[in-house]
Amino acid sequence: GAGVSQTPSNKVTEKGKYVELRCDPISGHTALYWYRQSLGQGPEFLIYFQGTGAADDSGLPNDRFFAVRPEGSVSTLKIQRTERGDSAVYLCASSLGDSYNEQFFGPGTRLTVL
Amino acid sequence: DAKTTQPTSMDCAEGRAANLPCNHSTISGNEYVYWYRQIHSQGPQYIIHGLKNNETNEMASLIITEDRKSSTLILPHATLRDTAVYYCIVRVVGGGADGLTFGKGTHLIIQP
Repeated sequence: GAGVSQTPSNKVTEKGKYVELRCDPISGHTALYWYRQSLGQGPEFLIYFQGTGAADDSGLPNDRFFAVRPEGSVSTLKIQRTERGDSAVYLCASSLGDSYNEQFFGPGTRLTVL
Repeated sequence: DAKTTQPTSMDCAEGRAANLPCNHSTISGNEYVYWYRQIHSQGPQYIIHGLKNNETNEMASLIITEDRKSSTLILPHATLRDTAVYYCIVRVVGGGADGLTFGKGTHLIIQP
């Protein structure tokens, strides 16, 4: 079956611009996660959705970052007024909803802020 | 979640068993040990997890010491495709904060 998909695979933008990154989770997975991975580092947790609601957004670095999941499936990570330090690979994962279950990761979106 | 310590890198010959250690001396009684790996330019992939008993699946075995302060992931017959960064993660299950806390992991290089 289809895995987690993320679009675009690459995004280049200029400092100060707004970007949206999309995640399509595995069908039926109620839990969805966003992570950010900088070069040479492990992924860093950003936000976790259970259904439509953000159950834990403690990893969002500041109020320029926002994520939505209006129908409990597709999610969009939104970054306002991008900065060069936002350049990273943004990873999305989904799971069956019980935290006991494994998380399935997408291939990521590589964001470059010039 | 408890902190983990892993070697930065390891080499292993193709066909041999790869043994990846992880220290988690501050682990709590309700924390599980999870292993994920990340092949270059891909998202992380789940391998295995356990609480206190040793576990085995089609990918690997997980050996947890009796005091649970350390564990070892074993890839029984390593292949070149096992070259990846391996992350040991300790986490509470069902505690509500479900995001994974990754460290820097161990870069395992399988040599032909």
